[in-house]
Amino acid sequence: DSGVTQTPKHLITATGQRVTLRCSPRSGDLSVYWYQQSLDQGLQFLIQYYNGEERAKGNILERFSAQQFPDLHSELNLSSLELGDSALYFCASSTTGTDANTGELFFGEGSRLTVL
Amino acid sequence: DQQVKQNSPSLSVQEGRISILNCDYTNSMFDYFLWYKKYPAEGPTFLISISSIKDKNEDGRFTVFLNKSAKHLSLHIVPSQPGDSAVYFCAAAYTGGFKTIFGAGTRLFVKA
Repeated sequence: DSGVTQTPKHLITATGQRVTLRCSPRSGDLSVYWYQQSLDQGLQFLIQYYNGEERAKGNILERFSAQQFPDLHSELNLSSLELGDSALYFCASSTTGTDANTGELFFGEGSRLTVL
Repeated sequence: DQQVKQNSPSLSVQEGRISILNCDYTNSMFDYFLWYKKYPAEGPTFLISISSIKDKNEDGRFTVFLNKSAKHLSLHIVPSQPGDSAVYFCAAAYTGGFKTIFGAGTRLFVKA
């Protein structure tokens, strides 16, 4: 158990809909990262937050947005869903997040999104 | 732009033999490299890492080698065990970069 909690574990929805994925980081971790893993693909970095502030952005679509709340949990919002958005979405947390971004990441079990 | 590449989607090894997983990177700013292991229905878990100031780091059966001039690293597992069967991700980061970049992963099968 990594200590990172993601909900829901599975989600099935239709094209055009909007969903929200939730992540609770490990106790004490200030950084939250979101990654997308499509079929047979690696982990694509989407976005990182540190203590409520966005710190880095990857290949995140404009239809996707995220935020980190004062209690440090994070939500990833996916809107106008398309078939190609079907993927595993992982959240990870770490203690660092400023200029020492070389620490280990602790991953949740992922949220599997299926868009029909 | 794939900055971290794992060109072998899969690898099959006999139990007791050495497994060698390879990874190449393109960004010379990377100064820290990590390997993660992932079992089905679980999130990736950290396995071993290496800083760019080193060329080798060992942890039990796992050794990571870094060749900076070739922008190449490898993970050696000796001896391989059936429980090592998993997907292995190579990852890289650089100080101040705020993000860790992952490769596509290599699926390792260790046959008993």
